[in-house]
Amino acid sequence: EPEVTQTPSHQVTQMGQEVILRCVPISNHLYFYWYRQILGQKVEFLVSFYNNEISEKSEIFDDQFSVERPDGSNFTLKIRSTKLEDSAMYFCASRTGGNQPQHFGDGTRLSIL
Amino acid sequence: DQQVKQNSPSLSVQEGRISILNCDYTNSMFDYFLWYKKYPAEGPTFLISISSIKDKNEDGRFTVFLNKSAKHLSLHIVPSQPGDSAVYFCAAPPRGAGGTSYGKLTFGQGTILTVHP
Repeated sequence: EPEVTQTPSHQVTQMGQEVILRCVPISNHLYFYWYRQILGQKVEFLVSFYNNEISEKSEIFDDQFSVERPDGSNFTLKIRSTKLEDSAMYFCASRTGGNQPQHFGDGTRLSIL
Repeated sequence: DQQVKQNSPSLSVQEGRISILNCDYTNSMFDYFLWYKKYPAEGPTFLISISSIKDKNEDGRFTVFLNKSAKHLSLHIVPSQPGDSAVYFCAAPPRGAGGTSYGKLTFGQGTILTVHP
């Protein structure tokens, strides 16, 4: 069964550094998402991406965050200058459309030191 | 953001018995609900969904019930198996204007289910 893959599984970065989290969504999917889960908290929506542009973003997704789909297969989340509070699990998801469910990757654990 | 709430942080059941996981919502604009299961070190895995035009949807051992008047849904697992031990999330996307929804999900806090052999 096709799946969403995320790399790396764990990323450790110094505060203030840039980080790029990578995702390969399922190939025929059209909608792409990033979520995060801070330890002990809910899974929170960050951003949705459709037709090569951001369709919706949360208040968490400020100017330090950006997303890109550079080559039709990868979907990346960049954090320009990381803060301690960016430490979380980051999940990528994708879906075809309509009421089809989102399929999630296994996440990247981001640890900011 | 408390639009989707799972008030029970944990549930423990015996193998073979029924597990009932509950979820409440406050946003009457939600018209589609999903349940996800999550094992440690993995992402959420879709289990089952229900549209507001139905009050029940069944898939094997999993049944979801929706009570729109009470804004409540529940996931029943019968019979429960040790492999069902995981965190269960209910989630809902917004109803999009003009029938279009970009589908961002609002999640509940999750319920940790433990099924004892």
